[in-house]
Amino acid sequence: DAGVIQSPRHEVTEMGQEVTLRCKPISGHDYLFWYRQTMMRGLELLIYFNNNVPIDDSGMPEDRFSAKMPNASFSTLKIQPSEPRDSAVYFCASSARPGNTIYFGEGSWLTVV
Amino acid sequence: AQSVAQPEDQVNVAEGNPLTVKCTYSVSGNPYLFWYVQYPNRGLQFLLKYITGDNLVKGSYGFEAEFNKSQTSFHLKKPSALVSDSALYFCAVSSTYGGATNKLIFGTGTLLAVQP
Repeated sequence: DAGVIQSPRHEVTEMGQEVTLRCKPISGHDYLFWYRQTMMRGLELLIYFNNNVPIDDSGMPEDRFSAKMPNASFSTLKIQPSEPRDSAVYFCASSARPGNTIYFGEGSWLTVV
Repeated sequence: AQSVAQPEDQVNVAEGNPLTVKCTYSVSGNPYLFWYVQYPNRGLQFLLKYITGDNLVKGSYGFEAEFNKSQTSFHLKKPSALVSDSALYFCAVSSTYGGATNKLIFGTGTLLAVQP
């Protein structure tokens, strides 16, 4: 399997623009996670899905952030409008079931200027 | 609420010496415990996990960790460090409280620096 695939790997955008990050989980995995990594706050769980349904979005920072999973093989994390404080690495991850290993993508490195 | 503490921001060790990276946790219910490693500009790579059974867990690249329920710890160890082990290490926990969930919470990370 190719692992968790994220795109874009790097994005630089201007403040106020819409940003869409994409993720393809490992085939057969029922859980999908979005994490954000910053120097100040470390790794934060933003939201996770089970069978395409959002289970816990308590980590989503504010209404500017939204996540969808229209099918088992695709998820998006959208920021609209983007702000400089959103600059971070955003990781997507997936796993088969509770207790199974969670596998991470290589991350999307976002810079908002 | 579940939480993970990694008390050391950085651990320095000479190549060939044993290394320990500390982790303690707090959960309701039984814990699922994980260690991940992150190299510069890369994603997190799975090292090992404890779900149930033997308290000593062996993982990738010669790493192992010991689950200690009474001390709520899951320290990462390696008998002989390599320079190539230098990286950022994360401990993580999820729990079975309220039914098994997959919500994995990470510690703040420990930077391991192995000197030649």
